[in-house]
Amino acid sequence: QKEVEQNSGPLSVPEGAIASLNCTYSDRGSQSFFWYRQYSGKSPELIMFIYSNGDKEDGRFTAQLNKASQYVSLLIRDSQPSDSATYLCAVFTSGTYKYIFGTGTRLKVLA
Amino acid sequence: DVKVTQSSRYLVKRTGEKVFLECVQDMDHENMFWYRQDPGLGLRLIYFSYDVKMKEKGDIPEGYSVSREKKERFSLILESASTNQTSMYLCASSLGQHQETQYFGPGTRLLVL
Repeated sequence: QKEVEQNSGPLSVPEGAIASLNCTYSDRGSQSFFWYRQYSGKSPELIMFIYSNGDKEDGRFTAQLNKASQYVSLLIRDSQPSDSATYLCAVFTSGTYKYIFGTGTRLKVLA
Repeated sequence: DVKVTQSSRYLVKRTGEKVFLECVQDMDHENMFWYRQDPGLGLRLIYFSYDVKMKEKGDIPEGYSVSREKKERFSLILESASTNQTSMYLCASSLGQHQETQYFGPGTRLLVL
């Protein structure tokens, strides 16, 4: 089992729809969870992070964390073609000081 | 804004050459990281450093070494480049002290012929 798993996609959604990206992790002791966006040929850029169970909203983005089920998700409301990118989930565990990235989900927003 | 810069965006080297990749951050971050990214394999950690002159091996350190003589600068060295080291190399930094968000440089695309 991979430490951080994401569906590679592509996930295709029409413009204006909600895109839902999911990530599961194996280390129950993980504390911090991050979502990065990476455009083709560019480096990852942070979208948001979440530490506590529940939802965290930032503009059109909502991160959801469920530690009991060991998953974290990212919702993108009113998806735009400019949201088309690869989304990387990252998980940090302070006990082992490990920062693990998933392989990413490719999102395509269709105009 | 955090600024992480890398010395080159594109680099072409020959097999057996010694290659230096430089990374500089301007936000007094404690931690610095070197990754390589390959299609289908995601980001893989090569080395990281949590303090000046300190280094820790990541998941794939073979064939690489690093140097951190100053807090703001973290160098990745390929002692003898090989074709399987053709990749995108990404440097990142984080503040540390439980602030673990990583900020990435623009990346260096290295081609070894």
